[in-house]
This record gives sequence, C-alpha cells and structure tokens, in this order.
Amino acid sequence: GDQVEQSPSALSLHEGTGSALRCNFTTTMRAVQWFRKNSRGSLINLFYLASGTKENGRLKSAFDSKERYSTLHIRDAQLEDSGTYFCAAEDDSGYNKLTFGKGTVLLVSP
Amino acid sequence: DAGVTQTPRHEVAEKGQTIILKCEPVSGHNDLFWYRQTKIQGLELLSYFRSKSLMEDGGAFKDRFKAEMLNSSFSTLKIQPTEPKDSAVYLCASSLDWGYEQYFGPGTRLTVL
Repeated sequence: GDQVEQSPSALSLHEGTGSALRCNFTTTMRAVQWFRKNSRGSLINLFYLASGTKENGRLKSAFDSKERYSTLHIRDAQLEDSGTYFCAAEDDSGYNKLTFGKGTVLLVSP
Repeated sequence: DAGVTQTPRHEVAEKGQTIILKCEPVSGHNDLFWYRQTKIQGLELLSYFRSKSLMEDGGAFKDRFKAEMLNSSFSTLKIQPTEPKDSAVYLCASSLDWGYEQYFGPGTRLTVL
C-alpha cells in the first residue's frame, strides 16, 4: 500500500472558514514537506518539518514522527488559497528522497 | 538566487524517439532528484544524486530511463526509446543536503504520440 496517505482528496471551504489536511504514514518518517501547486503547475514550498509545529500566516503545520502523521491547518481561507496541496515525507533510510501523498484539491468559494 | 530551472517546458515526441530533458539545480545544492508526475500514480521518484553520485536509479524506471549529472550544476534525463505511457510531467528538484527541504523546478510536460 501507499506509504503516504493524504486526506481528504478534495475539500470545499467558504471564505473565512478553516479546516485541516492530514497525511498518515505507514512507516516512520524523518521529516515532512508541504507544497501547494500554483496556477502554472509549479510546486511551491509551504513547510518543512522534522518535528513539532510551524506557522506561517494563516497556515500551520504539525508533524509527529512517532504517531506517524502530519497536518496542515488553514484558517480564514481566502479565494486565492484554492489549489492542490501535497504532503511529502522523507523516510529514515538516510536518503533524502520524498514520497508524496496523492494531493488534496482545495476549493474556496465566496 | 535562481531556483531550479528545467528545459524544455514542453516536449512532444513520436514513439521510439530519444528525448533528453535538462535540469539546473539551485546553485550550491548537493542533492538532485528527478520525479515523474501522472494523474494516476502521482509523483514518483526516478533518480537521486548526491554530490553528483547516483544514489538511486528508480527501480522500475531503469529500463529506458537514464539520468546523468555531468557536473554539480547540470543534470539530464534521457528516455530511450519513448513510449506513449511515458507521457507525464517530469520534475527536477534539488536540496542543499540531507535534512534540508527540496525545491522543485517548473517541470517538463512530455507528450509521446
């Protein structure tokens, strides 16, 4: 099965509301990255965590290696937050490679 | 600083052709990755270099895919011969070192007819 299970696959929010995306890992991961795909299809870095939480504006991410999950919280969603979000995790093999989740398509509506 | 650059942005090939995709990592980064992105499989790792040495050559992709890193600032991915199932977006990424985040290029969209 997939090492990185991302949910939900799609999410609809009204402006001003919030929600969370989640990635569960089937094996111990050393670190996690969260990306957003922009309108040109490029992956934009949101967060890189090896533990704990990080916050940037209306986004906050958490990573718990022991419990094998990571979350991305969006608060006060804006129309421009719409897009596809990916989590990707590094295992602890010593190699710096990422295994990606399948992505969450977020649609923020007025 | 320039980010990761990839050329071409779009490539159309006939079945059986050889194509070469190019990538320039962020200056000073030691790790370079090639990924393939499709709607069905998502993002899959093809190759991984650390300080120009090939660390992983992608298992199932070994057959017709060959990545090379001739110097620290340039890498190529050769697909030979191409097949229609190779149609996908090919992404290059680089990282400063182990324990640092990866930065992705804009990708090359390959269509094989």
